[in-house]
This record gives sequence, structure tokens and C-alpha cells, in this order.
Amino acid sequence: GAGVSQTPSNKVTEKGKYVELRCDPISGHTALYWYRQSLGQGPEFLIYFQGTGAADDSGLPNDRFFAVRPEGSVSTLKIQRTERGDSAVYLCASSLRRPEDTQYFGPGTRLTVL
Amino acid sequence: DAKTTQPNSMESNEEEPVHLPCNHSTISGTDYIHWYRQLPSQGPEYVIHGLTSNVNNRMASLAIAEDRKSSTLILHRATLRDAAVYYCILRDFQGAQKLVFGQGTRLTINP
Repeated sequence: GAGVSQTPSNKVTEKGKYVELRCDPISGHTALYWYRQSLGQGPEFLIYFQGTGAADDSGLPNDRFFAVRPEGSVSTLKIQRTERGDSAVYLCASSLRRPEDTQYFGPGTRLTVL
Repeated sequence: DAKTTQPNSMESNEEEPVHLPCNHSTISGTDYIHWYRQLPSQGPEYVIHGLTSNVNNRMASLAIAEDRKSSTLILHRATLRDAAVYYCILRDFQGAQKLVFGQGTRLTINP
């Protein structure tokens, strides 16, 4: 079946602009996660949704970052007033409901802020 | 979240076994040991997980020390496609669902 998909695969923007990154999880997966990966580092947790609600947003670095999942499927990560330090690969993952369920990752969106 | 310690890099030859170590001396009784790997330019993918007993699947084996303070991921016959960064992660099945990644081990496979 189809895996997790993310669009766009690459995004180049200018400092100060607004960007939206989209994630389509595996059908039937109620849990959705966003991670950010800087060059040479492991992925870093941003936010976790169970259904439509954000169950844990402790990883969002500041209030410029926001994510939604209005119908419990597709999610959008929104970054306002982008900064050069936001440049990274943004990864989305989905899983079934239980804590021990495997997370399936998408290929990521590479964001470059000039 | 309990922390894990892995070597930064390892190297092996094609068709030989590879043993990737992970230390987790502060592991709690409710922590599962998970392994994910990340191939170049891809998102991480699940490899294997276990709690106390050794585990086998089509990708790898997981050997867990009796005191659970360390574990070893075993690739029985490495191929060039196994070159990746391997992450050892502790997940508390009673706690947060997020994965906490460390630096991982970068595995190089020589032809």
C-alpha cells in the first residue's frame, strides 16, 4: 500500500516568508508526528497528533511554528517569518494508535531559507 | 527519556555479519528497545524492537543483555544496501509516543 507522502520534496524560500509543508499519512493511521532533522543530526521531535488534536507539541521551537490536522488525516506544518536557522529536512511519520506501534516515515521536505 | 550511547561510526565488508552495539544503562522496566535506520536521503525506517528476549525478523536480530543495560543489532550478511545510520531508541510504552533519536551509528559497507 501507499506509504507516507510529503509535499513538496524541496522548498526554497527567503528569510521572513511563510511556508506550509504537507503530510499525507498512511490510511487508517490515527497518530501523526512531525520531526525536524538538521544536517548531521538525528531527527528531533516537533509535534504529535492523535486524531485531530495535538497530543504533544512540546517540541515546537517557538510560536512561529504551528501544525494542524483538521480532519484527522492530512497534516500541514506552518512556519511563519522563516529564519535561516529553520533550514532542515522536515520529516512526517504516522502510526497506529498504541505507543509501541511502529512509526512509518515519509521521505521528508528539505526546506532551505535563504 | 532514557538515553542511549552508540559508536559514531562502524565499517564492515559485504556479506559479513555486523554487530552494532548500544548501551542504555538507565533503561527502565517499561522501556522497549527499538532500532530504526536511515538510508541516504530517506526518512528513517523501522528495523526491530524488543523488551527482554532476543528477537529475530527478516531484516535483523536483536540481542538484549540479561540486565537490559545493553543490546546489539545483528545484520547477519551485510549488503551494500545496509549502509545507513542506525539509531537505537528507548520507548516507554506507558509514556510519550515520540521517538527520541540520538546521533546513531553510521555504518559503511565495503564491497
